[in-house]
Amino acid sequence: AQSVSQHNHHVILSEAASLELGCNYSYGGTVNLFWYVQYPGQHLQLLLKYFSGDPLVKGIKGFEAEFIKSKFSFNLRKPSVQWSDTAEYFCAVNSGGSQGNLIFGKGTKLSVKP
Amino acid sequence: DSGVTQTPKHLITATGQRVTLRCSPRSGDLSVYWYQQSLDQGLQFLIQYYNGEERAKGNILERFSAQQFPDLHSELNLSSLELGDSALYFCASSVTPSGGTQYFGPGTRLTVL
Repeated sequence: AQSVSQHNHHVILSEAASLELGCNYSYGGTVNLFWYVQYPGQHLQLLLKYFSGDPLVKGIKGFEAEFIKSKFSFNLRKPSVQWSDTAEYFCAVNSGGSQGNLIFGKGTKLSVKP
Repeated sequence: DSGVTQTPKHLITATGQRVTLRCSPRSGDLSVYWYQQSLDQGLQFLIQYYNGEERAKGNILERFSAQQFPDLHSELNLSSLELGDSALYFCASSVTPSGGTQYFGPGTRLTVL
């Protein structure tokens, strides 16, 4: 069965620090990869996605992610975080096969200190 | 705003009761997904409908059922509620039945007392 692992449960950073959140998935075939963000009390919003092509994808709010097929990884990065980035971040995968559902990681809570 | 709407926002009910959660997908989206978010299980896929037909089933209990109507809105019915059913229930929609981007609604927070 497919699974997604997010290595960090809770990350605490100061403003202007760089961010990298790890995500690994287990699935041998073609995958579509997503990062979603959930601000406190709000719904999931799409940050960025990878379907094919350039493995370095850019999303909203200065986030980017790199797909490394050999490592089954899709890490999320941001060079300089802001207090407003405080949220929970979810990595998700779907195989693009007949089933369309997403498999989510457990999420990483990011707290940014002003 | 994703364009996906869900009602109600909050629902408080007692054990043993039955509730219905409603979702309207984004205009033009044919596929609707239901997910449950709880502290211990995280985000779990429940069920998917595409253009009125059930497409895929995940970790959905037999006490739970769903349907998608001709106008494409969907309802998730939860019956014989237990304390452990307390969670956030999200609906998402997409254009295609598989592989596409899913847009999430604001969720319904269910509290079972």
